[in-house]
This record gives sequence, C-alpha cells and structure tokens, in this order.
Amino acid sequence: GAVVSQHPSWVICKSGTSVKIECRSLDFQATTMFWYRQFPKQSLMLMATSNEGSKATYEQGVEKDKFLINHASLTLSTLTVTSAHPEDSSFYICSAHDLARGGFEQFFGPGTRLTVL
Amino acid sequence: AQSVTQLGSHVSVSEGALVLLRCNYSSSVPPYLFWYVQYPNQGLQLLLKYTSAATLVKGINGFEAEFKKSETSFHLTKPSAHMSDAAEYFCAVSEGNNDMRFGAGTRLTVKP
Repeated sequence: GAVVSQHPSWVICKSGTSVKIECRSLDFQATTMFWYRQFPKQSLMLMATSNEGSKATYEQGVEKDKFLINHASLTLSTLTVTSAHPEDSSFYICSAHDLARGGFEQFFGPGTRLTVL
Repeated sequence: AQSVTQLGSHVSVSEGALVLLRCNYSSSVPPYLFWYVQYPNQGLQLLLKYTSAATLVKGINGFEAEFKKSETSFHLTKPSAHMSDAAEYFCAVSEGNNDMRFGAGTRLTVKP
C-alpha cells in the first residue's frame, strides 16, 4: 500500500518551453503532497507543500510563478515548470502524506528527471 | 527549526562487514526520525522510522537504528553488508508537522 507514481519518469525539453509533471497517490488519498528537487549528489530540497483545494506553500527562494503547483484532487498534484532553462535541469521528486494512516511519514514517488537543453 | 547532520558523505565497507551510518539531529520538540534509501534515478524508500515508541527500531533489509536522546543521534546499522546495500542513504527529521528535513546523504559503497 501507499504507492505514489510520477509521470513522466524523464523528460527532455528545449529552453523556454513548459513541462508538466504529475504526481499521483494510487491507493490512498493524499490531502498533502510535497515537491522536492534534487541536484546530482545532493540531498532533497523541499520546494513546496501543496494541500488539496488550496494554494501551495512555497519554500523561501522558490519562484512560485515559475514552478506552478496544482493539487486539484486528493490523488493528484501537478508541478509545471514554466519557461524552463538549463539550470532547472534536476531530479524532481514528489511525496504524499496518507491522512488515513496518521503519523507524519511521507511516501515518495520514483522521481522525474528533467533535462532542459 | 529541525535539522539533520549526517557524518560522512561516503562510507565504504567490505561485503559481510558492519555498516554504520551516522545521523545527528536537532529538534525543539521530541522528533520523528526516518532513514530512507535511494538507488540511482529512483525515489526514496523508507527503511525505518522512530515515532516515540521503542528506541531500537528495526527496519527492512536487516537494518536497524537506535534513538539516543542524550546524544541526539539516530545511527543506522546493519550487521553484515550485502552488495545490494550499495546506495545513497538519507536521514530525516520531522517535528510532527508536515515539515520534514533531510540530511545531506551518505553514499554507501560495498566492496566484494
């Protein structure tokens, strides 16, 4: 149980284009989802926390107009990287909190590798 | 705010040897502590978690960790390393809200 999927698993795009990444909780409802970014050989950095039906809360230094987050349902959150640039190339990982289980464990998706040319 | 320090960005052990990955935390309240493993180009898999019950926590794949409040530590151990244990390991802390903070990670290499 508590499976989180991400789509796509990898994407290559041209500079200036927008890319959408989906995060789905497959077998549970996630009132809260999290988006992380991970650069090579580095740790996960929290970008934003999204709650179903409300605006996401962004960490300091993360541009909310560049990284658009939509958490429209209890099983789906999307991250759109707008006007992507090479410096946005990274590994993006989402996670979700299972309200029914209680506690504070986050269940992680497999990640999306974004490469901006 | 809570934080985690992982001592040693890279640990190398021989197959069959003891694995010890160090984690120290800082928290203003009793913490929740986690160890995750990450294989290349994959997400994070939970190894084990401490949630204020037993201080010695057993996880998957033969790993365990001991919560020591006096030392603010939560070190991860495994008696005998396998080649398949080679991966990146992350310690994380939460103060009981939605805010989880990760350590910098420790890369474990297992030599044959």
